[in-house]
Amino acid sequence: KAGVTQTPRYLIKTRGQQVTLSCSPISGHRSVSWYQQTPGQGLQFLFEYFSETQRNKGNFPGRFSGRQFSNSRSEMNVSTLELGDSALYLCASSLAGTGSATNEKLFFGSGTQLSVL
Amino acid sequence: QQQVKQSPQSLIVQKGGISIINCAYENTAFDYFPWYQQFPGKGPALLIAIRPDVSEKKEGRFTISFNKSAKQFSLHIMDSQPGDSATYFCALPRGDTGRRALTFGSGTRLQVQP
Repeated sequence: KAGVTQTPRYLIKTRGQQVTLSCSPISGHRSVSWYQQTPGQGLQFLFEYFSETQRNKGNFPGRFSGRQFSNSRSEMNVSTLELGDSALYLCASSLAGTGSATNEKLFFGSGTQLSVL
Repeated sequence: QQQVKQSPQSLIVQKGGISIINCAYENTAFDYFPWYQQFPGKGPALLIAIRPDVSEKKEGRFTISFNKSAKQFSLHIMDSQPGDSATYFCALPRGDTGRRALTFGSGTRLQVQP
């Protein structure tokens, strides 16, 4: 079974631009979460989607948004990019549903490395 | 927002030695205490997790110890190998939002010397 796929792997943008990152979860997984990883702030939760609905949201400004499609694929968008948005953006999928620990296990992709110049 | 304090920041262990990483949390009830392992260029991967109704869980060379009264949980890596060299993160569920939204510790970079 294929793992979580994130595209693109690397991205370079300039300040003020916007960017869209894509995530394809493991087949059958219904939940997709997004995390930002930086050397200074570590791993921080952005938001989580389940059945096309945002279920949880972290403490990030409104410039960060996301969505999930009916096939569970997800995209996240960052508008008006700032230098501080340079980070590794990680997507994680899980079966979700019954709330059991097994179904809640997160499987991470390798991430999209975003550099803002 | 729940904070989790992880220590040490970095750790160097000789091959065959024991690696110990600690995490402490604040005064809130959780039902899930996972540890993640991350290699360079890869996303984190769940290594082992424990529920608060047990004090210890062992999977191969990896053991989680949980001390509810001290609000601490630790990862022990027995017979550490160079292949264990990675960054390790403890994590906690974010309040009542379930196990899919996690607050991560700051990470411990482990280096196992041959």
